[in-house]
Amino acid sequence: DIVMTQTPLSLSVTPGQPASISCKSTQSLLHSDGRTYFYWYLQKPGQSPQLLMYEVSNRFSGVPDRFSGSGSGTDFTLQISRLEAEDVGVYYCMQTIEFPPTFGQGTKVEIK
Amino acid sequence: QVQLVESGGGVIQPGRSLRLSCTASGFTFSSFAFHWVRQAAGKGLEWVAAISYHGTKEYNSDSVKGRFTISRDISKNTLYLQVDSLRTEDTAVYYCARAQYFYGSAYAFDVWGQGTMVTVSS
Repeated sequence: DIVMTQTPLSLSVTPGQPASISCKSTQSLLHSDGRTYFYWYLQKPGQSPQLLMYEVSNRFSGVPDRFSGSGSGTDFTLQISRLEAEDVGVYYCMQTIEFPPTFGQGTKVEIK
Repeated sequence: QVQLVESGGGVIQPGRSLRLSCTASGFTFSSFAFHWVRQAAGKGLEWVAAISYHGTKEYNSDSVKGRFTISRDISKNTLYLQVDSLRTEDTAVYYCARAQYFYGSAYAFDVWGQGTMVTVSS
């Protein structure tokens, strides 16, 4: 199975300040079709996970533009340009290039 | 309104069985593949099972292979997870999720249910 490793595992950020989360995979997530099968989710407290980013850098419907994704191959980053209170929760990366789909351990983001 | 609603969880003894359900509404159920993902208390997300949009292919994680069976009833817009020979380590919130294909075979889970709790305890 492809192992997804996130860093850091927790992050405390002052509102209005940027935040960054890294995710590394044990295999390249670049498919032969030229797409990269890498995604970010946010699980807000007490809620189900919600899709944030698809194929590295595409914001899903309704996701604010303060969220951005970058990376390629095996190294990826999620950046929040200015953290807001509603952004707290646990962020997960995920790959679907190979079965089974696998998630990172999660990064807990809280307000400082 | 596009939504998935799970049911069927509860407290059950080790070795027993349970059937989880996930009822879809607001979209064409038969056009999508579906997955089950679970989350133990305070832990991360673990993929459990998947079924293709045409219902002819099923996939299971190694940890549940031979014990869990995924299925669907298109006439009822409902996804199921039959969980047999339950173990204490199966205790978790079980989510159903819709697979959205953005391009080719690249998919992500774009709609999730609220989850149903399964507690395996004697």
